[in-house]
Amino acid sequence: SQQGEEDPQALSIQEGENATMNCSYKTSINNLQWYRQNSGRGLVHLILIRSNEREKHSGRLRVTLDTSKKSSSLLITASRAADTDSYFCATSNTGGFKTIFGAGTRLFVKA
Amino acid sequence: DVKVTQSSRYLVKRTGEKVFLECVQDMDHENMFWYRQDPGLGLRLIYFSYDVKMKEKGDIPEGYSVSREKKERFSLILESASTNQTSMYLCASSLSGIAGAFEQFFGPGTRLTVL
Repeated sequence: SQQGEEDPQALSIQEGENATMNCSYKTSINNLQWYRQNSGRGLVHLILIRSNEREKHSGRLRVTLDTSKKSSSLLITASRAADTDSYFCATSNTGGFKTIFGAGTRLFVKA
Repeated sequence: DVKVTQSSRYLVKRTGEKVFLECVQDMDHENMFWYRQDPGLGLRLIYFSYDVKMKEKGDIPEGYSVSREKKERFSLILESASTNQTSMYLCASSLSGIAGAFEQFFGPGTRLTVL
């Protein structure tokens, strides 16, 4: 069963613009993570936000979490061509042991 | 630098063959995971292990088994490969505790084709 679902499925923007990707989930979570993946290779962890946190920053990344709406967003500011990748959200349920990944958003940043 | 390695990047096998996918991590992590990734479906958990010789089924364990004889090594076994097991297989590891409480470190993946 899929927990996190990203929206949009694909996003194309110009370099310098901001990119926003959203993730919705169905049940209570312990935390939510965002990963990126290049060309079908292994995933790289970007940021983890816990259920009692509302916002987190890491460089050009900003993640928000709204547990009342069961949603999260990943904002990449001043995007670069090198940000072109697939981005996945992953949720860990309260009391659970597994991390469940969504289907991902494909981001394309045009130079 | 942390590292998760997988034995093969690309693998081609025939239907009915027994297939072994190996994963090794050098971070002394307790937790290890096997996922498969298919277009439009994201990553789906096949099995995970939270300690040597311990394993738990994930969401899609049918047709797979695993082995963890040493802490650093987690093997995925396809007992009798079928064409619907053609996929990208990703191994990951993380620190102990509730699995999702810590980031997972991924290997580069093995793209398996079953003919």
